[in-house]
Amino acid sequence: ETGVTQSPTHLIKTRGQQVTLRCSSQSGHNTVSWYQQALGQGPQFIFQYYREEENGRGNFPPRFSGLQFPNYSSELNVNALELDDSALYLCASSPDHGDYGYTFGSGTRLTVV
Amino acid sequence: AQRVTQPEKLLSVFKGAPVELKCNYSYSGSPELFWYVQYSRQRLQLLLRHISRESIKGFTADLNKGETSFHLKKPFAQEEDSAMYYCALRKGAQKLVFGQGTRLTINP
Repeated sequence: ETGVTQSPTHLIKTRGQQVTLRCSSQSGHNTVSWYQQALGQGPQFIFQYYREEENGRGNFPPRFSGLQFPNYSSELNVNALELDDSALYLCASSPDHGDYGYTFGSGTRLTVV
Repeated sequence: AQRVTQPEKLLSVFKGAPVELKCNYSYSGSPELFWYVQYSRQRLQLLLRHISRESIKGFTADLNKGETSFHLKKPFAQEEDSAMYYCALRKGAQKLVFGQGTRLTINP
């Protein structure tokens, strides 16, 4: 098993609400990235954290925010949900800056109605 | 801007036939290229990366900087190769940029 777990697996929210998605990485994985994958598309980079600090961000608005904790867990928070936020959200971790390739979680399927 | 293009959304070949999944990229500099695979009901996983120049499950990919391509090839397709394949590039320690993916179906 790859060691990256995400929760919940599925989630339904109403437009305007806020959501928190969680990821638990393998011990020693200091880098965690979050991706959004819309239906029929490849994953799109949201942001990356290294040792609890954001060190890269994609073209997503500020209502997408994150946290990384010392215990190798992390969160993705989305405020003021919009219908277009419906997607699969993937967490990926690496022992370093992705030099060994990223290990992906199974994702959280978010549906905004 | 960094961009990865996989021109075929769907590709279907017969078992035992050669397979080539196309990937073109646009990036100024020396990117690192990857192929990721997602089998049915499984998570996205790394298949191979160009800097390691290895063959995984019979697949190889050569980086052609002149043509800005990183096509994935396998000489003899097997049914278990049916999956979704994503080409991705990265510069340094930053983000992965993915293509839209190609769904490969191997017919018996």
